[in-house]
Amino acid sequence: GESVGLHLPTLSVQEGDNSIINCAYSNSASDYFIWYKQESGKGPQFIIDIRSNMDKRQGQRVTVLLNKTVKHLSLQIAATQPGDSAVYFCAEIPEDYGQNFVFGPGTRLSVLP
Amino acid sequence: DGGITQSPKYLFRKEGQNVTLSCEQNLNHDAMYWYRQDPGQGLRLIYYSQIVNDFQKGDIAEGYSVSREKKESFPLTVTSAQKNPTAFYLCASSILKNTGELFFGEGSRLTVL
Repeated sequence: GESVGLHLPTLSVQEGDNSIINCAYSNSASDYFIWYKQESGKGPQFIIDIRSNMDKRQGQRVTVLLNKTVKHLSLQIAATQPGDSAVYFCAEIPEDYGQNFVFGPGTRLSVLP
Repeated sequence: DGGITQSPKYLFRKEGQNVTLSCEQNLNHDAMYWYRQDPGQGLRLIYYSQIVNDFQKGDIAEGYSVSREKKESFPLTVTSAQKNPTAFYLCASSILKNTGELFFGEGSRLTVL
């Protein structure tokens, strides 16, 4: 399989439990954030986004929390399922980076039966 | 269905050879991007294009070249000047540069023998 995702932090959760994946971002002026899910051998898929004027945003089984004070982003997955097993990474658009996305290295989520 | 198509999915190359990765999108997006993904690292931007016949270098453009002759197509050439070309390459597009989410292809795994 793909070697993408080796040496990443790993979060293991029991099926049915809630998962919390964290991301520290670098630029306090960043305006827009996205969480992506990447399954082995595939391209990243959009999960949820949030703008800096919000603290929380909910989707289907997922919630993103933004703490601008400590530059921290988290993704909460409710009732984790086997299909949630993947690498999750956050992306930010910092104003001083020529308006290009900056991606975190990711966290591997492993769902245990 | 609309989306981004990358080909080939797997490619092997001998040292000293150039290789071209294809990226086609039918989403009518103006902006297209090439990223490189290595184990344990976030996506790194190689090149991006905001409009036909125009493109800009990203963070790691050395050893790569691109063209944007058509809105739908943004091929990436990995030249022999790229010292460590073995990686997973991802093409993406967005409606406009840094407007909303990036849509990713399924990736191309290049291995240099």
